[in-house]
Amino acid sequence: KAGVTQTPRYLIKTRGQQVTLSCSPISGHRSVSWYQQTPGQGLQFLFEYFSETQRNKGNFPGRFSGRQFSNSRSEMNVSTLELGDSALYLCASRMDNPPGELFFGEGSRLTVL
Amino acid sequence: AQTVTQSQPEMSVQEAETVTLSCTYDTSENNYYLFWYKQPPSRQMILVIRQEAYKQQNATENRFSVNFQKAAKSFSLKISDSQLGDTAMYFCAFMKPGNTDKLIFGTGTRLQVFP
Repeated sequence: KAGVTQTPRYLIKTRGQQVTLSCSPISGHRSVSWYQQTPGQGLQFLFEYFSETQRNKGNFPGRFSGRQFSNSRSEMNVSTLELGDSALYLCASRMDNPPGELFFGEGSRLTVL
Repeated sequence: AQTVTQSQPEMSVQEAETVTLSCTYDTSENNYYLFWYKQPPSRQMILVIRQEAYKQQNATENRFSVNFQKAAKSFSLKISDSQLGDTAMYFCAFMKPGNTDKLIFGTGTRLQVFP
């Protein structure tokens, strides 16, 4: 069974641009969540989706948004990029149960110049 | 708000030895879940072990076991018979019960296993 796939793996943007990251969950997983990982702030929850609905959102500005499609694939978008948005963005998926057994992708490394 | 604290930024252990990683947390919830995740240098995070707060018995997964002290809000991970492949960042994480995937992570402990 294929794991969680994130694309692109690496990308470089400049301030003010926007970026879209994609995540394909494990087949059969309907829940997808996103995390931001930085050396300074660690791992922080961005948002989660279940059956195309945003179920929970972390404390990030409105520049961070996401969506989930009917096939459970998810995208997150960051608009008006800032230097501080440089991070590893991790996507995770899980089956309905048990709680917390998230399966993570390898992440998308975003560098903002 | 819940917080998770890992006070050991780095640890090292010799192969075949035992090492314990510490984690404390703060919450007013009575029911919750605790996890240890491992992030090897390749970056893909992997679940190591999970503990449900309402279960008094400490969770065990092969060489990995936890010491869950609910009153003290402590959740340490013991790795027995350490292997080179255990070299990774280890994150302690907290989750409230309910319909959510929101994990609150600690800052991590970098574990180096040397021959």
